[in-house]
Amino acid sequence: EAGVAQSPRYKIIEKRQSVAFWCNPISGHATLYWYQQILGQGPKLLIQFQNNGVVDDSQLPKDRFSAERLKGVDSTLKIQPAKLEDSAVYLCASSAQGSGNTIYFGEGSWLTVV
Amino acid sequence: GESVGLHLPTLSVQEGDNSIINCAYSNSASDYFIWYKQESGKGPQFIIDIRSNMDKRQGQRVTVLLNKTVKHLSLQIAATQPGDSAVYFCAENIRTGGFKTIFGAGTRLFVKA
Repeated sequence: EAGVAQSPRYKIIEKRQSVAFWCNPISGHATLYWYQQILGQGPKLLIQFQNNGVVDDSQLPKDRFSAERLKGVDSTLKIQPAKLEDSAVYLCASSAQGSGNTIYFGEGSWLTVV
Repeated sequence: GESVGLHLPTLSVQEGDNSIINCAYSNSASDYFIWYKQESGKGPQFIIDIRSNMDKRQGQRVTVLLNKTVKHLSLQIAATQPGDSAVYFCAENIRTGGFKTIFGAGTRLFVKA
C-alpha cells in the first residue's frame, strides 16, 4: 500500500515570497490533515479535511495560509506571504473516516524562510 | 486548555535495558491515545494505540499503559535497541463535535551501545 506522498521535500524561499505544498493521501482515506512541526516541537494541526470539507482550521493563520482539497483526494497548502517564523516541516497525514483510526504521515515538506 | 505534555524531554538508556516514556494529558474528553516514533528527517510513525476503555495494551516489545485517574500515559519499550533512538510523541484524540488529534512536545530517546 502506497503511503502519503508529499512534494516538494525541501524548499528555501525569501520572506514575503509564496510557496505551495502538495499532498496525495493514502487511497481511500477520507480524512486529510496538515500539521506544522517547528524544530524541537510536536506537530501542530493546521487544518483537517473530511473528504473535501474543512472540519477544523482553528489554528490556521488565515491571513497568510490557505489549503484546499477540491476533489476530496489531493490537497495543496499555500503560504503567501511567508514569514521567517514559518520555517518548519509541513506534514501531511491521512486516516480512514472517523475517530480512532490511525493517522499515517508523509515524510514532510521542509521549509526554510530566509 | 488542551494540552498533552511529557515529563522528560530526553531519555538516555543502555542498549538492552527497558525504556519508559511518560506523558500527561489534560482533556477528559479524549477517548483514544496514540504513540508515534519520529526518526530524524522522517514523518511520525505509528507505534501503538489505546482506547480510553482500556488500561493496558501490548505490542511487539512495546506496551502502553493508560491511567485515566491521573491522566497519565506511558510507553514501555522492552530490550531497547539502537534502532529505537528517535523522538517519541504521545497524541490524544479529542472529541469536538468531530475529533482532532493533539500532539505533545516529544521525548528524545538515546540508546547507548
